[in-house]
Amino acid sequence: GAGVSQSPSNKVTEKGKDVELRCDPISGHTALYWYRQSLGQGLEFLIYFQGNSAPDKSGLPSDRFSAERTGGSVSTLTIQRTQQEDSAVYLCASSSLTGGFGELFFGEGSRLTVL
Amino acid sequence: AQSVAQPEDQVKVAEGNPLTVKCTYSVSGNPYLFWYVQYPNRGLQFLLKYITGDNLVKGSYGFEAEFNKSQTSFHLKKPSALVSDSALYFCAVRDGITGGGNKLTFGTGTQLKVEL
Repeated sequence: GAGVSQSPSNKVTEKGKDVELRCDPISGHTALYWYRQSLGQGLEFLIYFQGNSAPDKSGLPSDRFSAERTGGSVSTLTIQRTQQEDSAVYLCASSSLTGGFGELFFGEGSRLTVL
Repeated sequence: AQSVAQPEDQVKVAEGNPLTVKCTYSVSGNPYLFWYVQYPNRGLQFLLKYITGDNLVKGSYGFEAEFNKSQTSFHLKKPSALVSDSALYFCAVRDGITGGGNKLTFGTGTQLKVEL
């Protein structure tokens, strides 16, 4: 597609349920990032995938959070046993260049509300 | 560790006046610096970046930013603001040292409001 695509755009779930958020990056982009944007908190780094290298998971807030990237393309962020503090907008971005020189292209985000 | 500070939660300017959105950074090596803009209910859009070279960087929509190594700053500027520039602006940094990783660290954002 022309840009980074994320689904669902909105997700309302009950506390304790599992959710999956999907990201389809720009075709050919080797780097994929997940960030979380909470009200008034800015962007919090979650995880970074680069090609076939081991992902940088240093930003995942707890072991309830996991992500995978299949075939070097689509990525899924999974949150198990959701809590109210997980409510946020989850942003995915992709980049074409290694070494951090390339700018990130962001999707429009998945807004998660945990009741 | 790398970090970014945006000291102003909100900046208000009148249309036609110059605007400045402030950003300071901290990294171990040479900084790679970025500005992004977020319009309501949208993802972030890239505005400009500094990697090396000229300290004054020009970007999209008439924005520019000045890299100041001694002050560890990368302020975003525009000579004449438009109402349509009203949005949330994020500064971001990546540490250029070898093995520093490729993730960007973002500031908390500055809400720019341009008034008629």
